[in-house]
Amino acid sequence: KAGVTQTPRYLIKTRGQQVTLSCSPISGHRSVSWYQQTPGQGLQFLFEYFSETQRNKGNFPGRFSGRQFSNSRSEMNVSTLELGDSALYLCASSFGSTSPYEQYFGPGTRLTVT
Amino acid sequence: GENVEQHPSTLSVQEGDSAVIKCTYSDSASNYFPWYKQELGKRPQLIIDIRSNVGEKKDQRIAVTLNKTAKHFSLHITETQPEDSAVYFCAARDSGGGADGLTFGKGTHLIIQP
Repeated sequence: KAGVTQTPRYLIKTRGQQVTLSCSPISGHRSVSWYQQTPGQGLQFLFEYFSETQRNKGNFPGRFSGRQFSNSRSEMNVSTLELGDSALYLCASSFGSTSPYEQYFGPGTRLTVT
Repeated sequence: GENVEQHPSTLSVQEGDSAVIKCTYSDSASNYFPWYKQELGKRPQLIIDIRSNVGEKKDQRIAVTLNKTAKHFSLHITETQPEDSAVYFCAARDSGGGADGLTFGKGTHLIIQP
């Protein structure tokens, strides 16, 4: 089975711009979660989607948003980029969401904001 | 929300010795505790997990123990090898699927000395 894939792998943007990141989960997995990883804050939960519905949201500003499509692929969007948004953005897929299922991570998108 | 503390932040052991990484959590509703290994420049990889209905789980050289009363869980690696060198993250999630997704510890950089 193919693993979780993310595109693009690297991205450089300027402050004030917006960015869209994409995640394709493992085949058969219906839940996608997004995390931000930085050296200072570690791994922080952004949001989780299941069956095209956002189930949970972490403590991030409204500039961070996401969505999930009927094929379980997910996108996250960050508007009005700030320097502090520079990070590795990881998505993780799991089979379901109504009880804790194993989450498998993608390779991440490295976002640099200048 | 959940808070996970992880210690130590860096652990150096001789090849062949054992390594122990400890985590504590704050939310008594948490009942799923995975451990991830992240090598430099790579994605976090799920190596073992435990649910609150068991106290210990073992997979070859890796074991995890859970003490729900004390709200702490630990990762044990025996007969360490050079390929065990990586950053290890513990995480916790609550029984309802986790309103906050996975909450991660800050990570332990494990160094295996030859």
